[in-house]
Amino acid sequence: GESVGLHLPTLSVQEGDNSIINCAYSNSASDYFIWYKQESGKGPQFIIDIRSNMDKRQGQRVTVLLNKTVKHLSLQIAATQPGDSAVYFCAETSSGGTSYGKLTFGQGTILTVHP
Amino acid sequence: NAGVTQTPKFRILKIGQSMTLQCTQDMNHNYMYWYRQDPGMGLKLIYYSVGAGITDKGEVPNGYNVSRSTTEDFPLRLELAAPSQTSVYFCASGDRGHYGYTFGSGTRLTVV
Repeated sequence: GESVGLHLPTLSVQEGDNSIINCAYSNSASDYFIWYKQESGKGPQFIIDIRSNMDKRQGQRVTVLLNKTVKHLSLQIAATQPGDSAVYFCAETSSGGTSYGKLTFGQGTILTVHP
Repeated sequence: NAGVTQTPKFRILKIGQSMTLQCTQDMNHNYMYWYRQDPGMGLKLIYYSVGAGITDKGEVPNGYNVSRSTTEDFPLRLELAAPSQTSVYFCASGDRGHYGYTFGSGTRLTVV
């Protein structure tokens, strides 16, 4: 079946740097994309989402970019902090029909922030 | 506001044993989901529910069963535990149009 995947399994950055985590998706019917953060021993935590009628959305220190032409999604974290160290997952779904919001997750990228 | 509560947090089962993983949410969400996460992998959908009395299979339903008698509760049942079911199980809830779901803290299950 179609799935969401990530380009980089690990990313190491220095504190204060900007981080970029990438994600490729293959389901052209997907119109809603979400980024989750998962800290060790915890459940995924919602970070930011974007609908397919947008190409950019900003939150607090995070920005999600969507390129529908090449089916690519990225999460940018500004001024990365040690507390940002976690596994980051992208997920996609179709908001219509009988999808019922079922999310398809990518494998995840491990972000390590060095002080 | 507790959000999504899962119990137990940890469990070791012997092959062939049964157990129920509990999930309760207090946000009055209609949609609830069970995912499993194997080491180093993303989450895979086991079962989901769009409201009380309505459930359906996800990507990996074999070996599991669910029920949804109330809006708040969505238990996951393992009837005959197998080593392949060793995983971390997450319950999540949300609503139509708002897919940034709230996840529970997970149940780590080991089948030996």
